[in-house]
Amino acid sequence: SAVISQKPSRDICQRGTSLTIQCQVDSQVTMMFWYRQQPGQSLTLIATANQGSEATYESGFVIDKFPISRPNLTFSTLTVSNMSPEDSSIYLCSVGQTGQGEQFFGPGTRLTVL
Amino acid sequence: AQSVTQPDIHITVSEGASLELRCNYSYGATPYLFWYVQSPGQGLQLLLKYFSGDTLVQGIKGFEAEFKRSQSSFNLRKPSVHWSDAAEYFCALREGSGTYKYIFGTGTRLKVLA
Repeated sequence: SAVISQKPSRDICQRGTSLTIQCQVDSQVTMMFWYRQQPGQSLTLIATANQGSEATYESGFVIDKFPISRPNLTFSTLTVSNMSPEDSSIYLCSVGQTGQGEQFFGPGTRLTVL
Repeated sequence: AQSVTQPDIHITVSEGASLELRCNYSYGATPYLFWYVQSPGQGLQLLLKYFSGDTLVQGIKGFEAEFKRSQSSFNLRKPSVHWSDAAEYFCALREGSGTYKYIFGTGTRLKVLA
């Protein structure tokens, strides 16, 4: 399976600021996803990061709040914009390959917004 | 609508005892099913997966799961729990071929007593 790293691993941010989270994979992957895990909750898919085109967002998530980039097949970023305390969550990226079913997850970024 | 239900929010077992974590799904066709484990402060690790074929699947760390179509279940089992198994366990469903999006259950937190 792919080795996935995320930066930063955790951060504490002030209300109204933005944070960009990076996801790096050690091999080329077809699919990349971003999830949010709110405290004590399960995972919710934010969007599918598409290489070379705009991300595909799930219901309830919008590009202005969560802009995503995916410049190549090994790297993606998620920005959490204009943060509020409600954005305090763990953000995880995951990867998969077309034709294979499973996803592999990064270690997550723990975000606290004050 | 597709859904995944994990009826048990918390489970406590003694070390060495057997374990069964329940997962029920709602989906119109045969789903792709997964179990993931999340240790504190960590990302998600894939334990096992079911796509088709043999309904009893073996995974890592001594875990197995059985797919029962008649009961819409995919329960995770381990014959003898170790203290290091204490973690959160997530069942996930991927809609059939053509999409790679997951639906996660709410998770079951396992506590292991020495």
